[in-house]
Amino acid sequence: GAVVSQHPSWVICKSGTSVKIECRSLDFQATTMFWYRQFPKQSLMLMATSNEGSKATYEQGVEKDKFLINHASLTLSTLTVTSAHPEDSSFYICSDTTRGGTDTQYFGPGTRLTVL
Amino acid sequence: GENVEQHPSTLSVQEGDSAVIKCTYSDSASNYFPWYKQELGKRPQLIIDIRSNVGEKKDQRIAVTLNKTAKHFSLHITETQPEDSAVYFCAASRETSGSRLTFGEGTQLTVNP
Repeated sequence: GAVVSQHPSWVICKSGTSVKIECRSLDFQATTMFWYRQFPKQSLMLMATSNEGSKATYEQGVEKDKFLINHASLTLSTLTVTSAHPEDSSFYICSDTTRGGTDTQYFGPGTRLTVL
Repeated sequence: GENVEQHPSTLSVQEGDSAVIKCTYSDSASNYFPWYKQELGKRPQLIIDIRSNVGEKKDQRIAVTLNKTAKHFSLHITETQPEDSAVYFCAASRETSGSRLTFGEGTQLTVNP
């Protein structure tokens, strides 16, 4: 069964609004979670590493003030897309790691964001 | 940083044939190489992985080989079935760095009945 959940599975919003996406690690305390973005027919691009109790580490080119990440507990990380624009429309996927003592990553089901 | 190249970008085979997808990586310190299968609109699913202390790993119809000297690894699917049709991604990481994965560009595999 699924070990990582995401909510919502899809969202449509107006340009300029903010959208929050939740990623939950089920039955496991994940100190590290990852956020990816995937455009149609493209690969997964790592946006940031979410560390429980500390600031997220963002990849080069990803605006930390636009993509706010909060990892306040060992089972929940949130990504907030602030002042969303149509170019932010994408498939956002999170993952957790270190499950079972290995560094294997397990992915959430993804959130399809459409900004009008 | 790590760079992972994946070939081919598309692969079409007849049901029952074998499919091979190849990846090369640039960081000689990478030591963990997972393969993910992603169906349209769904999450990537781990199908097999290999660590640098082994050269080959097999799980039923799926196998992965690793050549650390040449810095390449391959996914082999035998006796392909239509349900194997999906996009396959290879990835590489240094496990000591907290599993920061670098993905290949993906291969769209189509298995024709």
